[in-house]
Amino acid sequence: DGGITQSPKYLFRKEGQNVTLSCEQNLNHDAMYWYRQDPGQGLRLIYYSQIVNDFQKGDIAEGYSVSREKKESFPLTVTSAQKNPTAFYLCASSLQDQPQHFGDGTRLSIL
Amino acid sequence: AQRVTQPEKLLSVFKGAPVELKCNYSYSGSPELFWYVQYSRQRLQLLLRHISRESIKGFTADLNKGETSFHLKKPFAQEEDSAMYYCALSGPPYGQNFVFGPGTRLSVLP
Repeated sequence: DGGITQSPKYLFRKEGQNVTLSCEQNLNHDAMYWYRQDPGQGLRLIYYSQIVNDFQKGDIAEGYSVSREKKESFPLTVTSAQKNPTAFYLCASSLQDQPQHFGDGTRLSIL
Repeated sequence: AQRVTQPEKLLSVFKGAPVELKCNYSYSGSPELFWYVQYSRQRLQLLLRHISRESIKGFTADLNKGETSFHLKKPFAQEEDSAMYYCALSGPPYGQNFVFGPGTRLSVLP
């Protein structure tokens, strides 16, 4: 499927290291989102962005940072301040007031 | 606070049997409700939304504001329906406030 591309599919992080997860979309969607998926907890919103150069914290933003320099791209950085980063990360995008479209996800593990 | 609950982590039914996946929500206002599905090795995708009142792959869901529920139903389950199902709500401004339930894994047995 095209539309939203997340890379890499698998990522490993050493203790104290920052890592960046990529999310690109070619759907011309204004809004983009990052979620964290843990077993039994569903999806939790980390950050979202409604327009370029603007983003808002979600429910679990601590230890994460984002940027939105281009409409197509919304990278997520997992910083060393995130004490429990092992999870499955999902990126989504949408037009305003429309359902979200999701990427395939990135699985982050700690070495 | 807005919240979505799905009481069943796992639901197993036999092929041809009716299936109902429960979803309850709490929200002070008029949310929009969705069901998303994730089949094995596929990305999470929208199954249906309450405002469209569509039947997708034989599934329907009715919004019951009195009971604050949005249960997903299908009269005759198929093996290909086996997947993870997430109920979600969105409150105004729609799109910004998206809350997902914990999900229910549906297993349709032959």
